[in-house]
Amino acid sequence: QVQLQESGPGLVKPLQTLSLTCTVSGGSISSGIYYWIWVRQHPGEGLEWIGYIHHSGSTSYNPSLKSRITISVDTSRNQFSLRLSSVTAADTAVYYCASTSGYYSPYSWGQGTLVTVSS
Amino acid sequence: QPVLTQPPSVSGAPGQRVTISCTGSSFNIGAGYDVHWYQHLPGRAPKLLISDNSNRPSGVPDRFSGSKSGTSASLAITGLRAEDEANYFCHSYDSSLSGSVFGGGTKLTVL
Repeated sequence: QVQLQESGPGLVKPLQTLSLTCTVSGGSISSGIYYWIWVRQHPGEGLEWIGYIHHSGSTSYNPSLKSRITISVDTSRNQFSLRLSSVTAADTAVYYCASTSGYYSPYSWGQGTLVTVSS
Repeated sequence: QPVLTQPPSVSGAPGQRVTISCTGSSFNIGAGYDVHWYQHLPGRAPKLLISDNSNRPSGVPDRFSGSKSGTSASLAITGLRAEDEANYFCHSYDSSLSGSVFGGGTKLTVL
């Protein structure tokens, strides 16, 4: 089973781009059986699915965030990334990376990283 | 508001049984999509407890069980232990979102 670890700045200024990376260990991100996912949790609230990228390169994003999101894969570093543009305080959340072997299957999760949007 | 509804909190004494409900709609649980349950401790990665409504992964005690009926699912924990004190949340797929949806989480307190 793969292990996942998020990394990136803990503080982002309003209107800037939030960039996070998830490092995959214990397996290859090039495997065709995995979906690579981002999820976030606003303070005191439930989890919100952000989107995924598959090894094939296909992506699917939450419609509420679609215009601001890019999820990409770096196979050379065994990492995948999230970019969220034009952030506001409403984007302050704990961001989790996750993976799954099937479209409807359960996730394996990272431990999450808090990103605060503030000037 | 979370798409899947859970009670904010439940509690029980050691040794007792508690259940946590997860209520969805015809776009997710009611459409037949599987429900997964996780245990989440602060600062830790969520841990899978139940997959595909009622399957326990290897290493998960049989004190944990899951069920699903209609637009709802439930997680039952028997023989409560102090170590069970954590946040629990459910997870399914939603056809209107074309993506995953989650419950708001339930804080279990062992009295």
